Amino acid sequence: DAKTTQPPSMDCAEGRAANLPCNHSTISGNEYVYWYRQIHSQGPQYIIHGLKNNETNEMASLIITEDRKSSTLILPHATLRDTAVYYCIVRLQITQGGSEKLVFGKGMKLTVNP
Amino acid sequence: GAGVSQTPSNKVTEKGKYVELRCDPISGHTALYWYRQSLGQGPEFLIYFQGTGAADDSGLPNDRFFAVRPEGSVSTLKIQRTERGDSAVYLCASSQGNTQYFGPGTRLTVL
Repeated sequence: DAKTTQPPSMDCAEGRAANLPCNHSTISGNEYVYWYRQIHSQGPQYIIHGLKNNETNEMASLIITEDRKSSTLILPHATLRDTAVYYCIVRLQITQGGSEKLVFGKGMKLTVNP
Repeated sequence: GAGVSQTPSNKVTEKGKYVELRCDPISGHTALYWYRQSLGQGPEFLIYFQGTGAADDSGLPNDRFFAVRPEGSVSTLKIQRTERGDSAVYLCASSQGNTQYFGPGTRLTVL
């Protein structure tokens, strides 16, 4: 079973920031928070991941609470192309070679409206 | 560079037939994963290869499903005696490290 809880859907206006919440209250100390998204009829796309510090890349920012029991993915200026299902995933990190399987929940459908 | 590719993009078959789905990982990626996604659900793990060997096949639903990666690069997912319940999108991912990169998937329809 997925170790995360996300609302089933959210709407956002184009050009505004989209804040996508995720609860992971049972996360253990060596588990990372990963975010993927899946645009209709495409494979999942990696967005960002973090352990306990906030992270930012060209796609998004990830804010993890101090107790690590929840996090927020921020898309600073949402566009229509950001409409997708967003998955928040908790998993172990392995240092070399391959890695642990991803356990997806149902994700959250973000709809960006013009 | 080139991403993960999967062929065919769509496959329609009849109940009871045998199918093969192919995955070409990103060059140099030693780990390869297969997932299956049913309508309205998130992807579900099937099997994971590290090099040529299956490191974890705990997600394969039954013995009709089998996957190989003989040279540590291309992988083939094989489904025998297909059933209507096998209809889904089959996703492949590869990684060299902790981030998995997914292909576009193969949509399998069993009539």
